[in-house]
Amino acid sequence: DAGVIQSPRHEVTEMGQEVTLRCKPISGHNSLFWYRQTMMRGLELLIYFNNNVPIDDSGMPEDRFSAKMPNASFSTLKIQPSEPRDSAVYFCASSLQTGGMAEAFFGQGTRLTVV
Amino acid sequence: GENVEQHPSTLSVQEGDSAVIKCTYSDSASNYFPWYKQELGKRPQLIIDIRSNVGEKKDQRIAVTLNKTAKHFSLHITETQPEDSAVYFCAAIYNDYKLSFGAGTTVTVRA
Repeated sequence: DAGVIQSPRHEVTEMGQEVTLRCKPISGHNSLFWYRQTMMRGLELLIYFNNNVPIDDSGMPEDRFSAKMPNASFSTLKIQPSEPRDSAVYFCASSLQTGGMAEAFFGQGTRLTVV
Repeated sequence: GENVEQHPSTLSVQEGDSAVIKCTYSDSASNYFPWYKQELGKRPQLIIDIRSNVGEKKDQRIAVTLNKTAKHFSLHITETQPEDSAVYFCAAIYNDYKLSFGAGTTVTVRA
């Protein structure tokens, strides 16, 4: 397996534009996470899906952020409209959850810069 | 609660010496404690983890200890090498799925 695949690797966009980040989890994994990493706030969990269903979106900062998982092999994180403070590295991670003790495998991340 | 405190924030060691990173967590129900290593510009990768039913686990030069009573867990790296230079994150699991990460420790191994 190629691991968790994210695209794009880098995204530079202007303030106000819509940004869509994509993730393909590891085949067979039942859990998917979106994290945001910044120097100030570290690694923050944005949203958690289990079996394609959003279970916990309490980390989504505002209504400008939305995430979907239409099937077991694809998820998107959308920011509309984007703002400079959204600049960060966004990681997608997947795992096979069995009673909570499961390694989370991270994708390479998308470095988002909003100017 | 979902608080994980990690210390120190930076650590500089001489090659061959040991490095120790300490974490505390707030939720006594947490039962899984992984450690991730993140090299510059790369993804976090699991290096070792420990379940709550054991107190210590070792993998070559890396060891983790867990004190559930005190809600402390630690990472020990022995015989450090330049390739150990990276940011290390501890984490604790909450509600059976939610990994809450510490703020990270930047380890620099001096040659």
